[in-house]
Amino acid sequence: DIVMTQSPDFLAVSLGESVTINCKSSQSVSYSSRNKNLVAWYQQKPGQPPKVIVTWASFREPGVPDRFSGSGSETDFALTISSLQAEDVAVYYCLQFYSKVYTFGQGTKLELK
Amino acid sequence: EVQLLDSGGGSVQPGGSLRLSCAASGFPFSNYAMSWVRQPPGKGPEWVSTITGSGGSRYYADSVKGRFTISRDNSDNTVYLHMASLRAEDTALYFCAKANCTGGGATCYPGHWGQGTMVVVSS
Repeated sequence: DIVMTQSPDFLAVSLGESVTINCKSSQSVSYSSRNKNLVAWYQQKPGQPPKVIVTWASFREPGVPDRFSGSGSETDFALTISSLQAEDVAVYYCLQFYSKVYTFGQGTKLELK
Repeated sequence: EVQLLDSGGGSVQPGGSLRLSCAASGFPFSNYAMSWVRQPPGKGPEWVSTITGSGGSRYYADSVKGRFTISRDNSDNTVYLHMASLRAEDTALYFCAKANCTGGGATCYPGHWGQGTMVVVSS
């Protein structure tokens, strides 16, 4: 199975600061010939199901603030929050769907400093 | 509006069985793959299984292969997860989720999620 490893596990950030969460896959999860990266990012708040915020590594879901952006290809991916707001406190997960056996990263917990 | 209503969870002894259901509405059900994803208390989500829109292909995590069976009834807009030989490590909140890509294939990320149904395996 493809292993997705996120870093860091935990982040404490001040309001307005920029945040980057990384996700590394154990093998390529990209269709290079079609320029498709089969990675999604989810935000989960307590008591709620995960909410998809970025798909195909870099496409923001409708309604997601533009301070969220995704990047990367092949094995290295990142989620950046450009100016942290209080409502962004959550746990973030990456997911690969390149393999029919999907795998999530272990999660990055984001808190306010 | 997409709605997914998970149900069927409960407490069961190790070795027991349970069937989860997910009633879907608000979209052309047979056009989309459906998945089950579980989340043990205090831990991250773990993908469990996916079934394509037609029901013709099914995929499972190694941890549940041979014990869990995913199925769907496209006439009733419902997806099921039959769980057998349950173990303590199957204890989790189980979510059904709709793929966000049309065509019914499994190469797609889970988009909309239900609220989950809790399964507790304990003696």
